[in-house]
Amino acid sequence: DGGITQSPKYLFRKEGQNVTLSCEQNLNHDAMYWYRQDPGQGLRLIYYSQIVNDFQKGDIAEGYSVSREKKESFPLTVTSAQKNPTAFYLCASTRGQGVGELFFGEGSRLTVL
Amino acid sequence: GESVGLHLPTLSVQEGDNSIINCAYSNSASDYFIWYKQESGKGPQFIIDIRSNMDKRQGQRVTVLLNKTVKHLSLQIAATQPGDSAVYFCAENRVWGQNFVFGPGTRLSVLP
Repeated sequence: DGGITQSPKYLFRKEGQNVTLSCEQNLNHDAMYWYRQDPGQGLRLIYYSQIVNDFQKGDIAEGYSVSREKKESFPLTVTSAQKNPTAFYLCASTRGQGVGELFFGEGSRLTVL
Repeated sequence: GESVGLHLPTLSVQEGDNSIINCAYSNSASDYFIWYKQESGKGPQFIIDIRSNMDKRQGQRVTVLLNKTVKHLSLQIAATQPGDSAVYFCAENRVWGQNFVFGPGTRLSVLP
């Protein structure tokens, strides 16, 4: 079945550590996105990528980094510079930016200890 | 369970009744809208979409209404079932080629 796979589902981090969240899609989609979800708020865009080896900052990129070395993969690194990293992180993809619906993964819950 | 949606507005309906969930969008230039359903601890699932050249679209047990004059979107769920309990949120696409903007969501609680 085609879809988006995020891992791990739950992750715990000590303060000062970097962690990387994985996102893999087999939908052959060009565009991929990372969102952060906090209670009572809409999804906020962290980074997005329209094509391989290219990505742009979203609304809340500070403290995060990404790479897009392969079309199907878009990992997100939460760095120690992110002051409030505890959140639910969602990866999504679409055929092209602004074209059709966003398909979401099942999310990764990051908790800072 | 997932803490998403702790402080969201809640709509409680009796099983079998119809539900109406509302969303006010922000940009009159938005031309594509989606409703998503999100169950606790899971990723959002697509329910139905609508383009700005339409004012109504129907799916299976769901209807989306778009009022561009007042920038309002609604999702109607017919014969609400316990499995419909979730957080529902709308997304608007601001100008073709740009990214989606999401509403905070409404929690739907179906009472037996």
